[in-house]
Amino acid sequence: DGGITQSPKYLFRKEGQNVTLSCEQNLNHDAMYWYRQDPGQGLRLIYYSQIVNDFQKGDIAEGYSVSREKKESFPLTVTSAQKNPTAFYLCASSRGHLSNSPLHFGNGTRLTVT
Amino acid sequence: KNEVEQSPQNLTAQEGEFITINCSYSVGISALHWLQQHPGGGIVSLFMLSSGKKKHGRLIATINIQEKHSSLHITASHPRDSAVYICAVMAETSGSRLTFGEGTQLTVNP
Repeated sequence: DGGITQSPKYLFRKEGQNVTLSCEQNLNHDAMYWYRQDPGQGLRLIYYSQIVNDFQKGDIAEGYSVSREKKESFPLTVTSAQKNPTAFYLCASSRGHLSNSPLHFGNGTRLTVT
Repeated sequence: KNEVEQSPQNLTAQEGEFITINCSYSVGISALHWLQQHPGGGIVSLFMLSSGKKKHGRLIATINIQEKHSSLHITASHPRDSAVYICAVMAETSGSRLTFGEGTQLTVNP
């Protein structure tokens, strides 16, 4: 079955360490997204990529980096510069523009930084 | 004021009840998405609509573009419908960005 795989489900890191969250899709979707979810808030866009080798900052990109070297993969690195990295991170993809294509989500990675 | 407001924030119902979740937004949009988030955190897309009404099984989504309002209805609710329901809008000027509501936590008791 096609879908989006995020790994790991839970991730623990010490403050000051960079950490990379994996996101892989086999839906052949061009567009991929990273969102952050915090309690009591709506999802917020970190980065998105509409095509391989291209990506754009979202609303809260500071302290994060991404790459899109392959269509299937869109890893997110949470750097030590991110002031409040503990959160639930969701990767998503869409076949086309979100005005006419639904989002497909992975099951998320819960990151805890202490 | 958030661009996307959902009501209620929390909703408890008895099995079999008809449920309505509301979403109001303040900008012109090209599409509105309804999503369902299960307790484990995974999110599923339920509907994407830009006008009128869509139905899938026991779920119905409506949108009134002039009033900037959408509703998600669940008929004959069941405990397995318990989840967080999220409304998200694609503003006409936002490129590829969705703006998300905070979600409505629905609990359906047997």
